[in-house]
Parts: sequence; structure tokens; C-alpha cells
Amino acid sequence: QVQLQESGPGLVKPSETLSLTCTVSGGSISSYYWSWIRQPAGKGLEWLGHIDVSGSNMYNPSLRSRVTMSIDTSKKQISLRLRSVTAADTAVYYCARDKYLCGGCHNWFDSWGQGTQVIVSS
Amino acid sequence: DIQMTQSPSSLSASIGDRVTITCRASQSISTYLNWYQQRPGKAPKLLIYAASSLESGVPSRFSGSGSGTDFTLTISSLLPEDFATYYCQQTSSTWTFGQGTRVEIK
Repeated sequence: QVQLQESGPGLVKPSETLSLTCTVSGGSISSYYWSWIRQPAGKGLEWLGHIDVSGSNMYNPSLRSRVTMSIDTSKKQISLRLRSVTAADTAVYYCARDKYLCGGCHNWFDSWGQGTQVIVSS
Repeated sequence: DIQMTQSPSSLSASIGDRVTITCRASQSISTYLNWYQQRPGKAPKLLIYAASSLESGVPSRFSGSGSGTDFTLTISSLLPEDFATYYCQQTSSTWTFGQGTRVEIK
């Protein structure tokens, strides 16, 4: 049973960079994409982007200029960096396994971390 | 971006009720549509993928249908643990979620 655990600072100052790590255990990091999703308090889900072990990535166009994702296969970790944060970036951040099935190439999130709260405030 | 609109935004229902939630895409997405359940304070959980495929371990009272722009999630007979918020998600082009449908106890 794969498990995902997000970690990183819970408080980030405005204009600084938010950095989070997702550690995968109990399963392979290959053959999947790995996504980041966030959810402001009381609001809906926003997909930030995904990456795979080859470095192939896709980012949400609304955040593309500020987001970078990377993957460390030896540590089985996926990292998120979000630059120039504002209060609007305050949210629970989730990582999820982005499973895909080609012959159509459907994607879906079949495993999620528990989420980590990030507050942007001075 | 492809916009996903769920209806209703919230509904009240009783144990045993049949519930249907609708998700409409702003353009055709074939069957690139997934459904998730989120209980308060918890991460979302996959229910349905590729519009109508039931995720392993998910009870058969959940079902999904649709293609193109119109999709539905049906819960055939509500149980207490089904009171939650449900989200659709499209994966046709840069994934986006619907705004959610909150299912409350009547």
C-alpha cells in the first residue's frame, strides 16, 4: 500500500518561496506521474501540476510562471517550489499519485497524502 | 482552460435516498472525468475514474456515467458515511476540478 507524506514549513512570508516535499513509501515512484493539489480553507481543489521520473511535467497555466516541480528517485521524493507567494497561496497542499492508463491515456489520482497546511503571512 | 460546473452546489438528503450529482464541462472531454469524495479534514478519495470505472474497494452503490460534456455521479442508497463533498475532475487538458457538491443530512 503506497503512502505519501507531505512535509515543509507551515509558515512562509509574502514574496518568499514555498518549498514542500512529498515522500513516497510502500510503492514504486516509477510508472506514475506525481501531482500537487491545493485547497484553501473552505474552498475547492486546485491542481498545481505533475511530474514523472523522466522529468516530464505539466503545470497549471495560471501558476506556470511561479511553479517548479522536481523528483529525486533515490529518495523517492517529489518537491514543489512556488515563488513569490501571497496570502492567496495559503492552503492545504496535497501530493497525489497520478496514475495513467494509455490506450486513451486517462489519468486519475488514486492515492493522496494527508495534506500539509501552509500559511502565507508576515 | 476547461471549466467544470457541478450541480447542485449542495443538497440535503436522507439515509437510503438515491442521489445524483451532475458535472458539466465547458467543452467535450470524452470520458476523461473522475469523481472524488472528501470528508471534512481528510484528503479526497477516488471513487470513479474514466467516467464510469469504479475504483477498487469503492462500494457498488457509487456509479458514474456520461461522455462528452455531461456526466453524473449516482449514489444508489445513501449511507451515513456518504455525507461528504464530491468533486469531479477533468483530465482532458491541464486538469481542473469542479467546485464541489456538498451532500448534507436532511
